Amino acid sequence: DTAVSQTPKYLVTQMGNDKSIKCEQNLGHDTMYWYKQDSKKFLKIMFSYNNKELIINETVPNRFSPKSPDKAHLNLHINSLELGDSAVYFCASSQDLVAASGSHEQFFGPGTRLTVL
Amino acid sequence: GQSLEQPSEVTAVEGAIVQINCTYQTSGFYGLSWYQQHDGGAPTFLSYNALDGLEETGRFSSFLSRSDSYGYLLLQELQMKDSASYFCAVRSSTGGFKTIFGAGTRLFVKA
Repeated sequence: DTAVSQTPKYLVTQMGNDKSIKCEQNLGHDTMYWYKQDSKKFLKIMFSYNNKELIINETVPNRFSPKSPDKAHLNLHINSLELGDSAVYFCASSQDLVAASGSHEQFFGPGTRLTVL
Repeated sequence: GQSLEQPSEVTAVEGAIVQINCTYQTSGFYGLSWYQQHDGGAPTFLSYNALDGLEETGRFSSFLSRSDSYGYLLLQELQMKDSASYFCAVRSSTGGFKTIFGAGTRLFVKA
């Protein structure tokens, strides 16, 4: 039933480790996103994919590598984790990139709270 | 560049009306959205304005003036459950139809 799901919900890890967050949407949407929300609740776009193609890469360190195996999945792999990576990471999806269908709504997953020690 | 400004906090009483303003600067303006986020939760979509005017959805309304680069979210008949953060977000046709979020307005509803 869940529209956009993410795993894991919580991730606690040591500096220097590599971790992945998975995201799946069952809405049939073409476009998926990764956002980072910091401790001040500032929500910042990291990446967007449209039909598995990278559209936006918002000056994110190349330690972050998104992968979209198909339209319904967008995973985020993070290498060599740093303290500053601690945040809540949200996956989201929307019908398409330009809202040609008229629907501009982005549906957000529940978030993954990453804590780097 | 792109930027949005909205108040950091607003406090109101139950049953009242509150307006949260948002001013923006962007090229290739496509539309202005509003999202609600409760503590520990995910942002959820409230409304979208692409053209000037007022859009009403139940107790919530959103307004846009493209010439003034300004919009607002109006919440009527406030309820305690409306206590949350409210984000305005600009969608721009430049840079891949990016959505840029404001810093959020924390709304406290008091009994």
